[in-house]
Amino acid sequence: DAKTTQPNSMESNEEEPVHLPCNHSTISGTDYIHWYRQLPSQGPEYVIHGLTSNVNNRMASLAIAEDRKSSTLILHRATLRDAAVYYCILKASGGGNKLTFGTGTQLKVEL
Amino acid sequence: DAMVIQNPRYQVTQFGKPVTLSCSQTLNHNVMYWYQQKSSQAPKLLFHYYDKDFNNEADTPDNFQSRRPNTSFCFLDIRSPGLGDAAMYLCATSRVGTQETQYFGPGTRLLVL
Repeated sequence: DAKTTQPNSMESNEEEPVHLPCNHSTISGTDYIHWYRQLPSQGPEYVIHGLTSNVNNRMASLAIAEDRKSSTLILHRATLRDAAVYYCILKASGGGNKLTFGTGTQLKVEL
Repeated sequence: DAMVIQNPRYQVTQFGKPVTLSCSQTLNHNVMYWYQQKSSQAPKLLFHYYDKDFNNEADTPDNFQSRRPNTSFCFLDIRSPGLGDAAMYLCATSRVGTQETQYFGPGTRLLVL
């Protein structure tokens, strides 16, 4: 699987937008970009995924660069409950549904 | 609500004493996964079942085995736990497909004394 690179940690203030970057310069044309997050003492949970176009759902938005070598997860208004480790994961089309987690970004949200 | 349930949430075992962790799901998903997550690390896939077909990851130690008696239940057996096996064990499920969402349980934290 192609590798992703994320900052180890980021900080945000509550009620402000958060932009979590992910670099994936070796992405292949059929790799989807998935984001999961893991809140403290819980299992990971799905956030969003996309292939080429930007995606929005009730949790977040995913902005994908035109060359697909990077993407950004956007939390529009961070709350204390968004404090978690956010994982950016590439999944090939075909070859199973395995998740290969990288190191992720620890997001801290302050009042 | 449909969910993935793991019991117990905390399990203490002794060095070398076999232990079994349980996972059940009400989502009726075909695929079930077991991940190991050591402290301050990312989850790492151990193996998964596609229906009754078992798929082991190449680097999963032989000490770890699994059983899936039916669609709803899946078990992780650690035959002879070592101190290095202390970790959070996460169960997940998904429908069949390469881009399907995985749904995780809360995990079982295993302590080896």
